[in-house]
Amino acid sequence: LAKTTQPISMDSYEGQEVNITCSHNNIATNDYITWYQQFPSQGPRFIIQGYKTKVTNEVASLFIPADRKSSTLSLPRVSLSDTAVYYCLVGDMERIRNKLIFGAGTRLAVHP
Amino acid sequence: DAGVTQSPTHLIKTRGQQVTLRCSPISGHKSVSWYQQVLGQGPQFIFQYYEKEERGRGNFPDRFSARQFPNYSSELNVNALLLGDSALYLCASSSGTGASYNSPLHFGNGTRLTVT
Repeated sequence: LAKTTQPISMDSYEGQEVNITCSHNNIATNDYITWYQQFPSQGPRFIIQGYKTKVTNEVASLFIPADRKSSTLSLPRVSLSDTAVYYCLVGDMERIRNKLIFGAGTRLAVHP
Repeated sequence: DAGVTQSPTHLIKTRGQQVTLRCSPISGHKSVSWYQQVLGQGPQFIFQYYEKEERGRGNFPDRFSARQFPNYSSELNVNALLLGDSALYLCASSSGTGASYNSPLHFGNGTRLTVT
């Protein structure tokens, strides 16, 4: 499984755009990139998943460069409720099935 | 639709005791997996079950066991509890044989186990 590296923590203010970058230098051809969000005392919640280029949904955007060795989760106009831990996961979803490997994640704090 | 539900939400046990945690997956989901999350760390994979069969096991001792029932609900059992077993235990479900593209894991809010 590809190892991921992401910042331990980030700070932002309400209304700003937040970009969290994840490095995954040894990503394999069949690997997808998935991001989860976790609030205190809750289970992780799926945010977005992609393979290449750009993916956008109602919550976030995921930018993946051509070499796929990194990815950036973009949260537009954050609010206090976006304060959470964000996990970047990389893996062949068919091969690993439910055996997701979570790192320590990025702890995002949004300030008024 | 109800999400993944877990019970109990909180539990306090003493060392050496045994505990059973329960999980009901999202309706229609046949795969259930269990994760342990120690404070300040990401979740760690324990087990996956699909159609009542174990499909994956993480690096946990034999004190940890699980099973899945015909209605796809699941139980996680931990015997001979240690202080280090104190954690948030998360259950997740997915459709099909497991997580795949466009079929992400859906987590419950967990059971907070405290071992004293």
